Amino acid sequence: AQKVTQAQTEISVVEKEDVTLDCVYETRDTTYYLFWYKQPPSGELVFLIRRNSFDEQNEISGRYSWNFQKSTSSFNFTITASQVVDSAVYFCALSERQHNSGNEKLTFGTGTRLTIIP
Amino acid sequence: NAGVTQTPKFQVLKTGQSMTLQCAQDMNHEYMSWYRQDPGMGLRLIHYSVGAGITDQGEVPNGYNVSRSTTEDFPLRLLSAAPSQTSVYFCASRRLAPYNEQFFGPGTRLTVL
Repeated sequence: AQKVTQAQTEISVVEKEDVTLDCVYETRDTTYYLFWYKQPPSGELVFLIRRNSFDEQNEISGRYSWNFQKSTSSFNFTITASQVVDSAVYFCALSERQHNSGNEKLTFGTGTRLTIIP
Repeated sequence: NAGVTQTPKFQVLKTGQSMTLQCAQDMNHEYMSWYRQDPGMGLRLIHYSVGAGITDQGEVPNGYNVSRSTTEDFPLRLLSAAPSQTSVYFCASRRLAPYNEQFFGPGTRLTVL
């Protein structure tokens, strides 16, 4: 069975500090997808990144970067020079897909609440 | 594009009442799904659909019904609301191929007294 663990329930950092959110996953599939979503205080879910299991390249988007390591089943998310607007709950998610069908089991972690202190 | 829309945004029900949460998308996505979000539990899949006329159960389907008569709409019905169904409900959609991420609606906050 697939599982996503976000061990950090809450993190607080002072503005401009760097912060890393951890995500560890379990799956028996060789083909899967990993995601990060942001949920700001307004409540909507904002897609941040998708990564498939065959692409271990790290990705950088502005102040955001993601480190995918299959060897440790981790997909960590780093925010550089944090800002108050980064305050939100961040969810990591794992999708195992059944081939040739649309069936999908998207499993979310329990989320990490990040607070950036001005 | 409005994306994924949900109505209502807030709802209070009494135990035993029924209601339908509406979800619509204008992106012509084949796949639609319903999740509930509870504190400390992330999001859990209730039901999903891969196209009009096709629905299936997710992780927590009990107490909920769905139907998919059109590509655009995917309503979630609570037949007899219970306090345990107090939650925030999210609808999401994506295309089937090529695979992409799910786009989420703004959510419906439901309280069952």
